[in-house]
Amino acid sequence: NAGVMQNPRHLVRRRGQEARLRCSPMKGHSHVYWYRQLPEEGLKFMVYLQKENIIDESGMPKERFSAEFPKEGPSILRIQQVVRGDSAAYFCASSQKTGDHYGYTFGSGTRLTVV
Amino acid sequence: DAKTTQPPSMDCAEGRAANLPCNHSTISGNEYVYWYRQIHSQGPQYIIHGLKNNETNEMASLIITEDRKSSTLILPHATLRDTAVYYCIVRVPSDYGGSQGNLIFGKGTKLSVKP
Repeated sequence: NAGVMQNPRHLVRRRGQEARLRCSPMKGHSHVYWYRQLPEEGLKFMVYLQKENIIDESGMPKERFSAEFPKEGPSILRIQQVVRGDSAAYFCASSQKTGDHYGYTFGSGTRLTVV
Repeated sequence: DAKTTQPPSMDCAEGRAANLPCNHSTISGNEYVYWYRQIHSQGPQYIIHGLKNNETNEMASLIITEDRKSSTLILPHATLRDTAVYYCIVRVPSDYGGSQGNLIFGKGTKLSVKP
């Protein structure tokens, strides 16, 4: 009964490189959400996806950030041309198709460090 | 979603009950009170939620005042592993028309359980 799986746990990138973060939702969950937590700050919503669809990307930066949740495979959060300000913990959560009345299940996060 | 107010930090002795307050004076009739916690370096963990009746599960109890303007999360016998940041969030579940995924995390209460 695996929970939400995120990998890698830690990712180091040089400025200008691309970062790819992966998230496999909990079994039976078809909705995925990405959050970002800057150092010493609270979590901020980024994007909500269902299979092959972006439902709400109101929290995504307009440039360099993109997300997908293909028909097969994990959800991917992609950050192009990373900058130092992208250093943060990125958390993925999932919920049931029927609704989020019973809350969200979060993964352990990917800690991105840009050097 | 309504805003919440929580004390920034609290201490609790191991084995004693931890009572974490939350004010949500502008809560609307269809908004539920949710509690999550984030143990250091981990993803947030759902604890409990309620509308107006008191709720209890294996982790905690939730007491909501009759006017619903405040609530208290109770950890009946706190252990060192309960040291975490606790977030109180009010929202309408998507099952009842709320926006999905966009949890608004404030700064929470940093609970320190001491031996």
